[in-house]
Amino acid sequence: EVQLVESGGGLVQPGRSLKLSCAASGFTFSNYGMAWVCQAPTKGLEWVASISTGGGNTYYRDSVKGRFTISRDNAKNTLYLQMDSLRSEDTATYYCARHRRTGFDYWGQGVMVTVSS
Amino acid sequence: DIRMTQSPASLSASLGETVNIECLASEDIYSDLAWYQQKPGKSPQLLIYNANSLQNGVPSRFSGSGSGTQYSLKINSLQSEDVATYFCQQYNNYWTFGGGTKLELK
Repeated sequence: EVQLVESGGGLVQPGRSLKLSCAASGFTFSNYGMAWVCQAPTKGLEWVASISTGGGNTYYRDSVKGRFTISRDNAKNTLYLQMDSLRSEDTATYYCARHRRTGFDYWGQGVMVTVSS
Repeated sequence: DIRMTQSPASLSASLGETVNIECLASEDIYSDLAWYQQKPGKSPQLLIYNANSLQNGVPSRFSGSGSGTQYSLKINSLQSEDVATYFCQQYNNYWTFGGGTKLELK
């Protein structure tokens, strides 16, 4: 069974950093691209970042370029999102998702990030 | 950036009714479109990909259609477990979601 389990969320002050992790199991992690998607409270879904199977290619939405870094450790079956210079508008639930060419076919349960002083 | 516009934003329907949700892309996305269902308090689940292909395990009352810039999700014979918010997503050029359609029972 495919499982994606996020961790690392919490309350953080504006301008500070947070690192999210997503532990994957039930599939060959290194064979799939992965993504982070966020959802602000009572809002819609927004793609945040994606990474290729080997980690050599990364993609970001404009609003997080230069602040967020997506990475992966295929030996540990883990996806990461380093979030720096956090802003109040980054407050959201962050989901990791398994990428395929035709959409995101498995999602984690999500982890909440609250940016507030 | 490709923008995805969903309509309606909310919808109320009766059990057994047929429901249609529309998604308009700001440019041709060549059927690179997926639909997701998100039940309250849960993660999104993939329903449809390539505009009209049903994901494994999804009931056949769900179907997708469309091409170019216009796409739709159809739910036949609405069930109580279909109460959810539905999102379209394009994956032709990066990845963009529509604003969502909240489906409730009348």
